[in-house]
Amino acid sequence: QVQLQESGPGLVKPSETLSLTCTVSGYSISSGYYWGWVRQPPGKGLEWIGSISHSGSTYYNPSLKSRVAISLDTSKNQFSLKLHSVTAADTAVYYCARPRDFWSSDAFDIWGQGTMVTVSS
Amino acid sequence: QSALTQPASVSGSPGQSITISCTGARSDVGGYNFVSWYQQHPGKAPKLLIYEVTNRPSGVSNRFSGSKSGNTASLTISGLQAEDEADYYCSSYTGASTYVFGTGTKVTVL
Repeated sequence: QVQLQESGPGLVKPSETLSLTCTVSGYSISSGYYWGWVRQPPGKGLEWIGSISHSGSTYYNPSLKSRVAISLDTSKNQFSLKLHSVTAADTAVYYCARPRDFWSSDAFDIWGQGTMVTVSS
Repeated sequence: QSALTQPASVSGSPGQSITISCTGARSDVGGYNFVSWYQQHPGKAPKLLIYEVTNRPSGVSNRFSGSKSGNTASLTISGLQAEDEADYYCSSYTGASTYVFGTGTKVTVL
């Protein structure tokens, strides 16, 4: 049974870098699939942040592309999100997720529980 | 990359059918058969209901069905039940391995 768990600071100062890690259990991330990040500001809708393939190819939301980086750490079976120069608008619940299909980054069917990150001084 | 447009709210009585629309453009919904639908209860992670416009993952009730016409995709919930009260989001491929979500619809069971 594949499980995902987000971790990282719950509070980040404006202009600093938000860093989150998703730990995967039950599957080796280097074996396949894409791995993604989605966020949800309080009371608002979902926003796709980006995905990374098991081989390290990355794909980002164009509106965030200049500030975001997703990477893999296969030795720890984790993948990470970094979002630079954050503002209050980046306050959100951040989810990591895996798509249902081995070959596609479409349709996330396994999700972490989500972690709330607040941007405030 | 603009969010896909969904109605803010839809309501229905138990046993009725409701339909949620998801309107995009030829560059996303209209151009690809990669539309997904998610259900989200308060404080919970989203749950995949439909993928590739019409397909249901194993374990999802057949009361949920998806369709698409032009630039608009739709999710129909038949035999509405109290447990269906939740937020619903569509998602579409937008090319170059990127995706966009809809604005979300709150479903209320009267």
